[in-house]
Amino acid sequence: EPEVTQTPSHQVTQMGQEVILRCVPISNHLYFYWYRQILGQKVEFLVSFYNNEISEKSEIFDDQFSVERPDGSNFTLKIRSTKLEDSAMYFCASSEVEVQGKYFGPGTRLTVT
Amino acid sequence: AQSVSQHNHHVILSEAASLELGCNYSYGGTVNLFWYVQYPGQHLQLLLKYFSGDPLVKGIKGFEAEFIKSKFSFNLRKPSVQWSDTAEYFCAVNASGTGANNLFFGTGTRLTVIP
Repeated sequence: EPEVTQTPSHQVTQMGQEVILRCVPISNHLYFYWYRQILGQKVEFLVSFYNNEISEKSEIFDDQFSVERPDGSNFTLKIRSTKLEDSAMYFCASSEVEVQGKYFGPGTRLTVT
Repeated sequence: AQSVSQHNHHVILSEAASLELGCNYSYGGTVNLFWYVQYPGQHLQLLLKYFSGDPLVKGIKGFEAEFIKSKFSFNLRKPSVQWSDTAEYFCAVNASGTGANNLFFGTGTRLTVIP
């Protein structure tokens, strides 16, 4: 069964550093998403991406965040200058059509020290 | 804005017991509803979804959920749980027809099934 993959599984970084989280969505999917889950809290929507542009973003997704699809397979989330409160599990997801159950990746645990 | 409430934070059951996990949402319009499951160390996986039609939806692994519009609820049920159902269960809602495609998740319910 096709699956969404994410790398790395765990990233530790110092406050103020830039991080790039990588995702490979399912190959025939057209809609891509990032969600995050701070420990003990809800899974929260960050951003959706379609046709090479952001289609929707939440209040969390401020200027420190950016997304990119640099080639035909990868989908990345960049945090420009990490803060302690960015520590969370970041989930990538993809879907074939707009409203559908999304396929989630295993997540990248980001720890900002 | 939509929100989702899961009032049971941790449920402990013996094998073969029946399960019902509560999910309530707040949104006045038409919604799409989902249950996701996250087994220990694994991905979030779609368990079942409701878009329209029969309010009783059946998912994988013997799970079902019933959409009760008047109660703004979408409770998850399983008549007889197994040890392998131990996982975290997330209810999620998406507002239909708004162009918004993001999911609002509940806080999750941890289910522990004792053999």
